[in-house]
Amino acid sequence: KNQVEQSPQSLIILEGKNCTLQCNYTVSPFSNLRWYKQDTGRGPVSLTIMTFSENTKSNGRYTATLDADTKQSSLHITASQLSDSASYICVVSDEFSGGYNKLIFGAGTRLAVHP
Amino acid sequence: GAGVSQTPSNKVTEKGKYVELRCDPISGHTALYWYRQSLGQGPEFLIYFQGTGAADDSGLPNDRFFAVRPEGSVSTLKIQRTERGDSAVYLCASSLTPRANVLTFGAGSRLTVL
Repeated sequence: KNQVEQSPQSLIILEGKNCTLQCNYTVSPFSNLRWYKQDTGRGPVSLTIMTFSENTKSNGRYTATLDADTKQSSLHITASQLSDSASYICVVSDEFSGGYNKLIFGAGTRLAVHP
Repeated sequence: GAGVSQTPSNKVTEKGKYVELRCDPISGHTALYWYRQSLGQGPEFLIYFQGTGAADDSGLPNDRFFAVRPEGSVSTLKIQRTERGDSAVYLCASSLTPRANVLTFGAGSRLTVL
């Protein structure tokens, strides 16, 4: 079973609308949870990083939430723009297993923003 | 350099051939990671280097895959006797230290095995 599950797999929204992407994980314990944006043909770029003690973290129009009790996170995108079209990947860092950032990636949600 | 550079950006090869993929991390970054990303999936961990040594190679799928980082900077991922199932994007990332929160990814090398 994948340790990081994301939903939906894909999403189409109109420009200017908001959306929320979901992430459930089973990795435990974990040191931090990240959301990455990956444009087609590019490497992932970090949007937010939250430790287990943080509930929310914002980066411009992106707001991530974390509930460590239920092992759920969400990424909310406000006032979407065409440039938001990308894959959004939830990543859990299992630092404790080897003393380094051992990242476990979800499969991502592919977001398409249409005009 | 300013970012993580990967070459080639695209590689098409025939089944059974040998392939080398190169990663040039950000100058001064001691930690270097290789990931493999299949179509529609998230990246999967292959190997982690701290300096010149492979500190964790538990993600390498089999002994056809090997990676080196002889001088602690540039790394090469080597794949012998390529198979069609090896087709994927191979991503490299680096970070200043092993526990640094910021990992910078390269654009990846897309490998297609015919």
